[in-house]
Amino acid sequence: QQQVKQSPQSLIVQKGGISIINCAYENTAFDYFPWYQQFPGKGPALLIAIRPDVSEKKEGRFTISFNKSAKQFSLHIMDSQPGDSATYFCAAKGNDKIIFGKGTRLHILP
Amino acid sequence: GAGVSQSPSNKVTEKGKDVELRCDPISGHTALYWYRQSLGQGLEFLIYFQGNSAPDKSGLPSDRFSAERTGGSVSTLTIQRTQQEDSAVYLCASSLVGVGETQYFGPGTRLLVL
Repeated sequence: QQQVKQSPQSLIVQKGGISIINCAYENTAFDYFPWYQQFPGKGPALLIAIRPDVSEKKEGRFTISFNKSAKQFSLHIMDSQPGDSATYFCAAKGNDKIIFGKGTRLHILP
Repeated sequence: GAGVSQSPSNKVTEKGKDVELRCDPISGHTALYWYRQSLGQGLEFLIYFQGNSAPDKSGLPSDRFSAERTGGSVSTLTIQRTQQEDSAVYLCASSLVGVGETQYFGPGTRLLVL
């Protein structure tokens, strides 16, 4: 019940395409859903986050879609660029715990 | 301002030796976390410090692992009698007031146990 399941494990997208990463959770007590971006050799950094009272949040080319009834949320990267190539982690926070997904390695083809 | 710093950036040790990894959180951040990231794997929670409260040690994989936080600031993660399976990147993060706030990660310490 504490798990956050992330898919796919790896993703290759053409430049200009849309990258979509999905996460699912079971614990209905989760109340904060951040996405982190990690470049090789660096620590993860917060990219965008959402709370369950909204169904979508957009920041530039990055959008989180949130489906509370399905207990799923996803990250969409529009007009994907080679500089977006990184590992992305979804996470969920609740009951003073934050649980990370296993990550998605995204590669954008030039 | 300075971010989270970790030292050393890389550590190579022999099986059976003890290692200490250091984390300097962002000044004023009361919460500090340690994670382990194995090659190609996700972030494995190890331990969480919040202010003066007792730390949440629920993620420590064995009693060879311990951590302390002195003066509410710097933290040290100690691995005793290292094993090859301890080889990983150890990440430290801090946040302003606790779980749920943005976590700011350091660059990690890459540990290799031969």
